[in-house]
Amino acid sequence: QQPVQSPQAVILREGEDAVINCSSSKALYSVHWYRQKHGEAPVFLMILLKGGEQKGHEKISASFNEKKQQSSLYLTASQLSYSGTYFCGTERETSGSRLTFGEGTQLTVNP
Amino acid sequence: GAVVSQHPSRVICKSGTSVKIECRSLDFQATTMFWYRQFPKQSLMLMATSNEGSKATYEQGVEKDKFLINHASLTLSTLTVTSAHPEDSSFYICSAISGPATGVNTEAFFGQGTRLTVV
Repeated sequence: QQPVQSPQAVILREGEDAVINCSSSKALYSVHWYRQKHGEAPVFLMILLKGGEQKGHEKISASFNEKKQQSSLYLTASQLSYSGTYFCGTERETSGSRLTFGEGTQLTVNP
Repeated sequence: GAVVSQHPSRVICKSGTSVKIECRSLDFQATTMFWYRQFPKQSLMLMATSNEGSKATYEQGVEKDKFLINHASLTLSTLTVTSAHPEDSSFYICSAISGPATGVNTEAFFGQGTRLTVV
């Protein structure tokens, strides 16, 4: 079942923060986050495992709440290069590494 | 990170012809590869899981006779769109993982994608 992402779109000014959420109605093993620029393939950002861990590098971080089956991606002090569509891909223990992607969140960072 | 190369990046073909798309893992052995299809402004929809040396596993609703997948080696998987029609026009993307698809979280590396246009 496809995870639900919110918001569908967000427009920021450079330097502002954003949060993108990804929710599933099924028990998840892991959540993967990707960013895709127009006409290009998705680029891996990070994986989060069940257990409520939080990961991050520089100004992009994410968390995974196992109880809620929800993951959030945090973008702080956004840069123009952050623009793109963000997808979460969810993996269940029985899915054999197959990812089910959400509809995506289109992020636009303006100067 | 690991590199997955997909070829061609763009292809235009006539209706009724077949098109082959290659997906290669350049610096690792990909036991499992995945093929996705993406329509404009939509999500990636998994079409099939390709396992080296065995038949591909297709998702529900995907015609296996139309989308032929061959994973002949640990570094190459091919998707052939047979008797292509305009409705097959889409962005096709492959991804590969370096280990077996055991359900363990494994980073997937994506190819550059192939923009197929059937005229």
